[in-house]
Amino acid sequence: GQQVMQIPQYQHVQEGEDFTTYCNSSTTLSNIQWYKQRPGGHPVFLIQLVKSGEVKKQKRLTFQFGEAKKNSSLHITATQTTDVGTYFCAGPQANDYKLSFGAGTTVTVRA
Amino acid sequence: DAGVIQSPRHEVTEMGQEVTLRCKPISGHDYLFWYRQTMMRGLELLIYFNNNVPIDDSGMPEDRFSAKMPNASFSTLKIQPSEPRDSAVYFCASSPGQGSYNEQFFGPGTRLTVL
Repeated sequence: GQQVMQIPQYQHVQEGEDFTTYCNSSTTLSNIQWYKQRPGGHPVFLIQLVKSGEVKKQKRLTFQFGEAKKNSSLHITATQTTDVGTYFCAGPQANDYKLSFGAGTTVTVRA
Repeated sequence: DAGVIQSPRHEVTEMGQEVTLRCKPISGHDYLFWYRQTMMRGLELLIYFNNNVPIDDSGMPEDRFSAKMPNASFSTLKIQPSEPRDSAVYFCASSPGQGSYNEQFFGPGTRLTVL
């Protein structure tokens, strides 16, 4: 079935720096969702992107959906220790009834 | 709102024993999902329900796993007999609408250890 690939798997960031994590699909997605899971916690919904080329911002987080709707990115500016966790993208599988989660990007922050 | 409730939060059992995980979705949500998370395989969808009816159980690893949703407020995931490779965190999630278009609300998870 549909697979969503995420890179990088791990991201070690100096506090205050920016970083970007990427999500890629081999097929066009009707929409894409992003979730964050803190260490020891559960996935929490961050945002959903639906339109081609859509860009949404949440404070220091910027989410983008590619023009071809096959890729997405999450950019975090001025990383803080509160950004620690694993960020997952998730896209619908072929039948559009369920989500396929990427492997996630695990972010650690050096103070 | 209480959110999705799962019990127990931790379960340690011995190989061969039956394990039952429980979930109470958010009231009014029509979709309920059971996921398993491991380091090796990531977050996997096991089964999902719509209006208490199982729709897709293709992710259930084998016959040892079964899930039920007797009413809109309660679902169980049962493993019988359990094996060490079943050790994982099991999440229940609910959604107000079709899962791929709606936000999924995850419960805190049940950390299962099978010795």
